[in-house]
Amino acid sequence: AQSVAQPEDQVNVAEGNPLTVKCTYSVSGNPYLFWYVQYPNRGLQFLLKYITGDNLVKGSYGFEAEFNKSQTSFHLKKPSALVSDSALYFCAVRPPSGGSYIPTFGRGTSLIVHP
Amino acid sequence: DSGVTQTPKHLITATGQRVTLRCSPRSGDLSVYWYQQSLDQGLQFLIQYYNGEERAKGNILERFSAQQFPDLHSELNLSSLELGDSALYFCASSVARGQSSEQFFGPGTRLTVL
Repeated sequence: AQSVAQPEDQVNVAEGNPLTVKCTYSVSGNPYLFWYVQYPNRGLQFLLKYITGDNLVKGSYGFEAEFNKSQTSFHLKKPSALVSDSALYFCAVRPPSGGSYIPTFGRGTSLIVHP
Repeated sequence: DSGVTQTPKHLITATGQRVTLRCSPRSGDLSVYWYQQSLDQGLQFLIQYYNGEERAKGNILERFSAQQFPDLHSELNLSSLELGDSALYFCASSVARGQSSEQFFGPGTRLTVL
Protein backbone atom coordinates (compact mmCIF):
# COMPACT_ATOMS: atom_id res chain seq x y z
CA ALA A 1 0.00 0.00 0.00
CA GLN A 2 1.20 3.51 -0.74
CA SER A 3 1.45 6.28 1.82
CA VAL A 4 2.48 9.89 2.09
CA ALA A 5 3.79 11.74 5.12
CA GLN A 6 3.92 15.48 5.56
CA PRO A 7 5.77 15.71 8.85
CA GLU A 8 4.94 19.35 9.58
CA ASP A 9 1.41 20.50 10.26
CA GLN A 10 2.54 24.11 9.87
CA VAL A 11 5.49 25.94 8.37
CA ASN A 12 6.19 29.57 9.18
CA VAL A 13 8.45 31.70 7.02
CA ALA A 14 9.12 35.39 6.57
CA GLU A 15 8.30 37.01 3.27
CA GLY A 16 11.29 37.01 0.96
CA ASN A 17 12.89 34.00 2.62
CA PRO A 18 13.14 30.59 0.96
CA LEU A 19 10.52 28.05 1.92
CA THR A 20 10.43 24.26 2.05
CA VAL A 21 7.41 22.05 2.64
CA LYS A 22 8.40 18.46 3.26
CA CYS A 23 6.93 15.28 1.86
CA THR A 24 8.06 11.68 2.09
CA TYR A 25 6.37 8.73 0.46
CA SER A 26 6.20 4.98 0.46
CA VAL A 27 5.24 3.08 -2.68
CA SER A 28 6.31 -0.01 -4.61
CA GLY A 29 8.26 0.92 -7.69
CA ASN A 30 8.82 4.37 -9.11
CA PRO A 31 6.17 6.81 -7.97
CA TYR A 32 4.19 9.52 -9.63
CA LEU A 33 4.27 12.48 -7.23
CA PHE A 34 2.11 15.59 -7.08
CA TRP A 35 1.80 18.82 -5.14
CA TYR A 36 -1.48 20.69 -4.75
CA VAL A 37 -2.34 23.94 -3.00
CA GLN A 38 -5.60 24.83 -1.31
CA TYR A 39 -6.50 28.44 -0.57
CA PRO A 40 -9.20 29.16 2.02
CA ASN A 41 -12.69 28.13 0.89
CA ARG A 42 -11.37 26.82 -2.42
CA GLY A 43 -10.71 23.46 -3.99
CA LEU A 44 -7.23 22.01 -4.44
CA GLN A 45 -5.16 23.40 -7.29
CA PHE A 46 -2.49 21.40 -9.10
CA LEU A 47 1.01 22.88 -8.68
CA LEU A 48 3.43 20.38 -10.19
CA LYS A 49 4.18 16.72 -10.70
CA TYR A 50 7.08 14.33 -11.07
CA ILE A 51 6.64 11.48 -13.52
CA THR A 52 10.12 10.73 -14.78
CA GLY A 53 13.30 12.48 -15.88
CA ASP A 54 14.90 15.48 -14.20
CA ASN A 55 14.66 15.26 -10.43
CA LEU A 56 13.96 19.00 -10.16
CA VAL A 57 10.46 19.82 -11.30
CA LYS A 58 9.24 23.37 -11.86
CA GLY A 59 5.62 24.31 -11.42
CA SER A 60 3.19 27.16 -11.07
CA TYR A 61 3.75 30.39 -9.11
CA GLY A 62 7.53 29.91 -8.90
CA PHE A 63 7.33 26.65 -6.96
CA GLU A 64 9.63 23.71 -7.61
CA ALA A 65 10.09 20.30 -6.07
CA GLU A 66 12.99 17.93 -5.86
CA PHE A 67 12.50 14.20 -6.21
CA ASN A 68 14.99 12.22 -4.13
CA LYS A 69 14.64 8.49 -4.68
CA SER A 70 17.12 7.39 -2.02
CA GLN A 71 15.40 9.45 0.64
CA THR A 72 11.89 8.80 -0.80
CA SER A 73 11.19 12.49 -0.59
CA PHE A 74 9.56 15.12 -2.77
CA HIS A 75 9.98 18.43 -0.95
CA LEU A 76 8.29 21.56 -2.27
CA LYS A 77 10.45 24.67 -2.46
CA LYS A 78 10.35 28.31 -3.43
CA PRO A 79 13.35 30.66 -3.39
CA SER A 80 11.45 33.69 -2.11
CA ALA A 81 8.14 33.38 -0.27
CA LEU A 82 5.22 35.74 -0.75
CA VAL A 83 2.45 36.49 1.74
CA SER A 84 0.04 35.30 -0.94
CA ASP A 85 1.67 31.84 -0.80
CA SER A 86 0.00 31.31 2.58
CA ALA A 87 -2.25 28.28 2.05
CA LEU A 88 -2.61 24.56 2.71
CA TYR A 89 -0.27 22.36 0.68
CA PHE A 90 -0.89 18.70 -0.11
CA CYS A 91 1.53 16.11 -1.41
CA ALA A 92 0.11 13.08 -3.24
CA VAL A 93 1.52 9.84 -4.63
CA ARG A 94 0.30 7.38 -7.23
CA PRO A 95 1.93 4.04 -8.01
CA PRO A 96 3.34 3.76 -11.54
CA SER A 97 1.47 0.65 -12.53
CA GLY A 98 -1.05 -1.86 -11.37
CA GLY A 99 -3.31 -1.62 -8.38
CA SER A 100 -5.34 1.47 -7.72
CA TYR A 101 -5.11 4.57 -9.87
CA ILE A 102 -6.22 6.59 -6.92
CA PRO A 103 -3.71 9.04 -5.46
CA THR A 104 -2.97 8.98 -1.76
CA PHE A 105 -2.82 12.45 -0.23
CA GLY A 106 -0.86 13.60 2.78
CA ARG A 107 -2.67 15.36 5.60
CA GLY A 108 -1.53 18.74 4.39
CA THR A 109 0.86 21.41 5.64
CA SER A 110 -0.32 24.88 6.45
CA LEU A 111 2.17 27.44 5.14
CA ILE A 112 2.10 30.83 6.80
CA VAL A 113 4.20 33.59 5.28
CA HIS A 114 4.67 36.57 7.56
CA PRO A 115 5.07 40.08 6.13
CA ASP B 1 -10.97 28.46 -12.26
CA SER B 2 -10.38 24.74 -12.67
CA GLY B 3 -13.30 24.19 -15.04
CA VAL B 4 -14.95 21.78 -12.59
CA THR B 5 -18.26 22.99 -11.23
CA GLN B 6 -20.07 21.82 -8.12
CA THR B 7 -23.52 22.64 -6.82
CA PRO B 8 -24.70 23.64 -4.36
CA LYS B 9 -21.95 25.62 -2.68
CA HIS B 10 -23.48 25.25 0.76
CA LEU B 11 -26.02 22.83 2.13
CA ILE B 12 -27.55 22.84 5.58
CA THR B 13 -29.79 19.96 6.54
CA ALA B 14 -30.92 17.88 9.47
CA THR B 15 -29.90 14.45 10.69
CA GLY B 16 -31.67 11.62 8.92
CA GLN B 17 -32.14 13.58 5.72
CA ARG B 18 -30.89 12.82 2.21
CA VAL B 19 -29.00 15.19 -0.07
CA THR B 20 -27.56 15.13 -3.58
CA LEU B 21 -24.36 16.87 -4.57
CA ARG B 22 -23.70 17.55 -8.21
CA CYS B 23 -20.46 17.82 -10.18
CA SER B 24 -19.68 18.71 -13.77
CA PRO B 25 -16.15 17.78 -14.84
CA ARG B 26 -13.89 19.78 -17.11
CA SER B 27 -14.79 19.53 -20.75
CA GLY B 28 -13.23 16.35 -22.14
CA ASP B 29 -12.39 14.78 -18.78
CA LEU B 30 -13.72 11.26 -18.44
CA SER B 31 -12.71 10.52 -14.85
CA VAL B 32 -14.56 11.92 -11.85
CA TYR B 33 -13.48 11.49 -8.25
CA TRP B 34 -15.30 12.36 -5.04
CA TYR B 35 -13.50 13.33 -1.84
CA GLN B 36 -14.55 14.24 1.67
CA GLN B 37 -12.47 16.76 3.59
CA SER B 38 -12.82 17.22 7.32
CA LEU B 39 -10.51 18.65 9.95
CA ASP B 40 -9.93 15.36 11.75
CA GLN B 41 -9.81 13.00 8.75
CA GLY B 42 -8.05 15.13 6.17
CA LEU B 43 -8.82 14.46 2.50
CA GLN B 44 -10.53 11.10 2.10
CA PHE B 45 -11.14 9.48 -1.28
CA LEU B 46 -14.69 8.23 -1.65
CA ILE B 47 -15.26 6.91 -5.16
CA GLN B 48 -14.15 7.22 -8.78
CA TYR B 49 -16.05 6.94 -12.05
CA TYR B 50 -14.58 6.65 -15.51
CA ASN B 51 -16.78 7.24 -18.53
CA GLY B 52 -19.89 6.21 -16.66
CA GLU B 53 -18.52 3.18 -14.86
CA GLU B 54 -17.44 2.86 -11.26
CA ARG B 55 -13.65 2.28 -11.18
CA ALA B 56 -12.52 2.53 -7.61
CA LYS B 57 -14.01 2.75 -4.17
CA GLY B 58 -12.42 4.24 -1.11
CA ASN B 59 -13.74 4.99 2.33
CA ILE B 60 -17.31 5.44 1.19
CA LEU B 61 -20.07 4.58 3.62
CA GLU B 62 -22.94 2.35 2.57
CA ARG B 63 -25.27 5.30 3.17
CA PHE B 64 -23.47 7.12 0.36
CA SER B 65 -23.77 6.37 -3.33
CA ALA B 66 -22.75 8.00 -6.56
CA GLN B 67 -23.21 7.76 -10.28
CA GLN B 68 -21.87 9.27 -13.46
CA PHE B 69 -24.32 10.06 -16.23
CA PRO B 70 -23.87 9.80 -20.03
CA ASP B 71 -23.06 13.52 -20.22
CA LEU B 72 -20.28 12.75 -17.68
CA HIS B 73 -21.66 14.83 -14.84
CA SER B 74 -21.75 13.02 -11.53
CA GLU B 75 -23.92 13.03 -8.45
CA LEU B 76 -23.07 11.99 -4.91
CA ASN B 77 -26.05 10.93 -2.82
CA LEU B 78 -25.77 11.03 0.96
CA SER B 79 -28.61 9.53 2.97
CA SER B 80 -29.54 9.01 6.62
CA LEU B 81 -27.25 11.89 7.39
CA GLU B 82 -25.42 12.06 10.69
CA LEU B 83 -23.70 14.95 12.43
CA GLY B 84 -20.35 13.43 11.52
CA ASP B 85 -21.11 13.74 7.82
CA SER B 86 -20.63 17.49 8.06
CA ALA B 87 -17.64 18.21 5.84
CA LEU B 88 -16.45 19.69 2.58
CA TYR B 89 -17.15 17.43 -0.38
CA PHE B 90 -14.96 17.86 -3.42
CA CYS B 91 -15.30 16.56 -6.90
CA ALA B 92 -12.22 16.29 -9.11
CA SER B 93 -11.76 15.30 -12.72
CA SER B 94 -8.90 14.19 -14.93
CA VAL B 95 -8.43 13.48 -18.59
CA ALA B 96 -7.97 9.76 -18.13
CA ARG B 97 -7.69 7.35 -15.29
CA GLY B 98 -3.96 6.98 -15.71
CA GLN B 99 -1.60 7.52 -12.86
CA SER B 100 0.30 10.39 -14.46
CA SER B 101 -2.77 12.58 -14.81
CA GLU B 102 -3.18 15.43 -12.38
CA GLN B 103 -6.62 16.12 -10.97
CA PHE B 104 -8.64 19.30 -11.27
CA PHE B 105 -10.77 20.04 -8.25
CA GLY B 106 -14.08 21.83 -8.02
CA PRO B 107 -14.75 24.52 -5.39
CA GLY B 108 -16.51 22.03 -3.13
CA THR B 109 -19.85 21.72 -1.39
CA ARG B 110 -19.89 22.51 2.31
CA LEU B 111 -22.38 20.24 4.02
CA THR B 112 -23.60 21.06 7.50
CA VAL B 113 -25.78 18.51 9.27
CA LEU B 114 -27.63 19.88 12.29
